[in-house]
Amino acid sequence: GEDVEQSLFLSVREGDSSVINCTYTDSSSTYLYWYKQEPGAGLQLLTYIFSNMDMKQDQRLTVLLNKKDKHLSLRIADTQTGDSAIYFCAESIFNNNDMRFGAGTRLTVKP
Amino acid sequence: DADVTQTPRNRITKTGKRIMLECSQTKGHDRMYWYRQDPGLGLRLIYYSFDVKDINKGEISDGYSVSRQAQAKFSLSLESAIPNQTALYFCATSDVKQGIEKLFFGSGTQLSVL
Repeated sequence: GEDVEQSLFLSVREGDSSVINCTYTDSSSTYLYWYKQEPGAGLQLLTYIFSNMDMKQDQRLTVLLNKKDKHLSLRIADTQTGDSAIYFCAESIFNNNDMRFGAGTRLTVKP
Repeated sequence: DADVTQTPRNRITKTGKRIMLECSQTKGHDRMYWYRQDPGLGLRLIYYSFDVKDINKGEISDGYSVSRQAQAKFSLSLESAIPNQTALYFCATSDVKQGIEKLFFGSGTQLSVL
């Protein structure tokens, strides 16, 4: 996952917004994804964005994509304790069978 | 029942032993993957298979082998386990529609090599 970078930790208070950031290096990325991993479980797809979009909103989740800077972010509004998990950013490359994952950001939500 | 099932959930073994991790899926997907997760490194691809007769090496295949026994089954073997293979291993399947690839993961197998 060295081509996809994320900070490892984020801590927020319940009710605040969380913003998890990701940078990627491959300009031929087609889709970018956010996965959530809860303790003791596998990853689950949260949302995705096509590389020619700059924003996607899905209930409390907002994905922003700055293709020029190769920067992706996931904003969680009104963060709840149940949002505590590890969030992985991933990119799929056109004509490449590999999906590249970042190292994951551990989000801790304090009451 | 889980759509992607991995067995065992946990395994402790000794250096030099042969280990097999099993994965089965009920999603009907052709594509299956094995990843390992290490703290601070994220997920790295070991092997992948796009159908029963198709096996491909991933980023870190050395020391591992796989077998795709059927569309629903994809097993990972460590022929001679070593301590730096201690990790959390995930099996996944995927479905591709209109260029969007969605991965579905099992719950993982925590392997410790002593």
